[in-house]
Amino acid sequence: NAGVTQTPKFRILKIGQSMTLQCTQDMNHNYMYWYRQDPGMGLKLIYYSVGAGITDKGEVPNGYNVSRSTTEDFPLRLELAAPSQTSVYFCASSYPEQNEKLFFGSGTQLSVL
Amino acid sequence: ILNVEQSPQSLHVQEGDSTNFTCSFPSSNFYALHWYRWETAKSPEALFVMTLNGDEKKKGRISATLNTKEGYSYLYIKGSQPEDSATYLCASFGNQGGKLIFGQGTELSVKP
Repeated sequence: NAGVTQTPKFRILKIGQSMTLQCTQDMNHNYMYWYRQDPGMGLKLIYYSVGAGITDKGEVPNGYNVSRSTTEDFPLRLELAAPSQTSVYFCASSYPEQNEKLFFGSGTQLSVL
Repeated sequence: ILNVEQSPQSLHVQEGDSTNFTCSFPSSNFYALHWYRWETAKSPEALFVMTLNGDEKKKGRISATLNTKEGYSYLYIKGSQPEDSATYLCASFGNQGGKLIFGQGTELSVKP
């Protein structure tokens, strides 16, 4: 059982480039999330989705876009990359029930130079 | 925006010490409170999900309590070991379904 899979694991971008971080889960989870790791700030929510076709902004959505065309996939798009987007990005998923935990992917380390 | 606060930001203890951290969250429209353990260079892993006022959960030497009326949760580690060194995160669902907000974490270092 693969769980939550993120690709790529590492990426270096130049300022102004664009890229898509891929996230897929095979647990049939309704809820999916994108977080970024900011030093000393824990995890900041970028976007989340409660089901296919439904997405909503989190705490730090500026500079990012998402889509959720299937239950399994939740890609995160960076347009016009900026140095402030240098971070480690985590995708996570869960069932929608009240007592369900998040399962995290292994993370994508992104540097914008 | 839901504000989830954790204290202290970091903690350094000796092996064998017992310790505790605090997570505070808005008590209105509470839905669930999560605790995660996050080791360096790894992904966060769930410790507990708590939903009811007065909930107490235990996993080995780690336990947690929940007070939804006053908006706080405590995480306790009894007899800390070096392998307990990690960042401990709490997260809360607010009144918007699906939106899980994390606190800034408590970084624990246990010296042998």
